[in-house]
Amino acid sequence: EVQLVESGGGLVQPGGSLRLSCAVSGFTFSDHHMDWVRQAPGKGLECVARSKNRGSSYTAEYAASVEGRFTISRDDSKNSLYLQMNSLKTEDTAVYYCARDSMKYSFDYWGQGALVTVSS
Amino acid sequence: DIQLTQSPSFLSASVGDRVTITCRASQGISSYLAWYQQKPGKVPKLLIYVASTLQSGVPSRFSGSGSGTEFTLTISSLQPEDFATYYCQQLNSYPVTFGGGTKVEIK
Repeated sequence: EVQLVESGGGLVQPGGSLRLSCAVSGFTFSDHHMDWVRQAPGKGLECVARSKNRGSSYTAEYAASVEGRFTISRDDSKNSLYLQMNSLKTEDTAVYYCARDSMKYSFDYWGQGALVTVSS
Repeated sequence: DIQLTQSPSFLSASVGDRVTITCRASQGISSYLAWYQQKPGKVPKLLIYVASTLQSGVPSRFSGSGSGTEFTLTISSLQPEDFATYYCQQLNSYPVTFGGGTKVEIK
């Protein structure tokens, strides 16, 4: 059974940092691109970062809104995906989901989400 | 970035109705479009990928069509469990982007 479990969310002050983790199981992690998708309260979905698979040399890609502030990484030996978030802004407040790219042009499995609140 | 515009943004319908949601892309995306359903407080659920392929386990009343810049999601006979928000997503190029969503509510 495929599972994705996020952790590391919480309350942080503007300008602060936070690191999210996503532990995965039930599939060959290195075969899949993995993404972080966020959803601000009452708003739609936004992809913020992607870690491509081993075949694509683990290339990272970012949305313009987080480029230079967020860093995505993965540890295939631990079946884990990470999102290091620095210089956080109030507009980064959202539920952050990790999602598996099915490799068939879709995201077929999602974690339950981690709430990040940026507030003073 | 490729913009996706969904219409309508809100839809009121009755059980048994046929419902169609449109998603327009700001440039051609071939068939690299997916549709998701999200209920309040829940995780998005994949319904359709590459524009028209039904994800395993999704009821056949859901269907998708289109290519290039215009796509549709159709629910042939709306059921009580279908009241939710629906999002389209393009995976033709990064950043992957989503439409603004269509909220389907009970009339």
